[in-house]
Amino acid sequence: GESVGLHLPTLSVQEGDNSIINCAYSNSASDYFIWYKQESGKGPQFIIDIRSNMDKRQGQRVTVLLNKTVKHLSLQIAATQPGDSAVYFCAENTYGQNFVFGPGTRLSVLP
Amino acid sequence: DTEVTQTPKHLVMGMTNKKSLKCEQHMGHRAMYWYKQKAKKPPELMFVYSYEKLSINESVPSRFSPECPNSSLLNLHLHALQPEDSALYLCASSRSTDTSQAQYFGPGTRLTVL
Repeated sequence: GESVGLHLPTLSVQEGDNSIINCAYSNSASDYFIWYKQESGKGPQFIIDIRSNMDKRQGQRVTVLLNKTVKHLSLQIAATQPGDSAVYFCAENTYGQNFVFGPGTRLSVLP
Repeated sequence: DTEVTQTPKHLVMGMTNKKSLKCEQHMGHRAMYWYKQKAKKPPELMFVYSYEKLSINESVPSRFSPECPNSSLLNLHLHALQPEDSALYLCASSRSTDTSQAQYFGPGTRLTVL
């Protein structure tokens, strides 16, 4: 399940299940979005991106969905594996401006 | 190849020391960035270089001094830092700042200020 507290929101899933990580973005003018994965002690790793003229984009085992009406972005990971355990950040960008990062969600994969 | 390299991996320094962080990319990217990341927080933008010129300084204290010697290299010079400056310093690059482009991050330098 998902928990939000004083610390980083955490999503715990069983190995082999699908994961859905959500992100609410703030700027309705944002036109480009990225999901990053950050493992402990490492820099953020680019996973997948999507532009505002698309609703869905698929990669290898990952899918990003964009709902501009409610300013919501989600990352779906199929058949979650232990190596998927990390903190996931969404980042939004408006043309000519800097990226704004979400607060992050920690994904914990249970054996 | 989407590799950005950073050195050193770890750095411990006193408040009177002068040190430098280094970043390198060979993807032909013309935009490079410095971010600061505290534990359990997202990266915070510090500086943006576009075509080797400083284009954005997000109100960063002068004890942090960036330098872009050429299109592949980015340095961050550190002097008279405070313990609260301890953090993970991330370098990133993208093709340009002209349009929305993916930013690729390096592994970071873990800085501890004593």
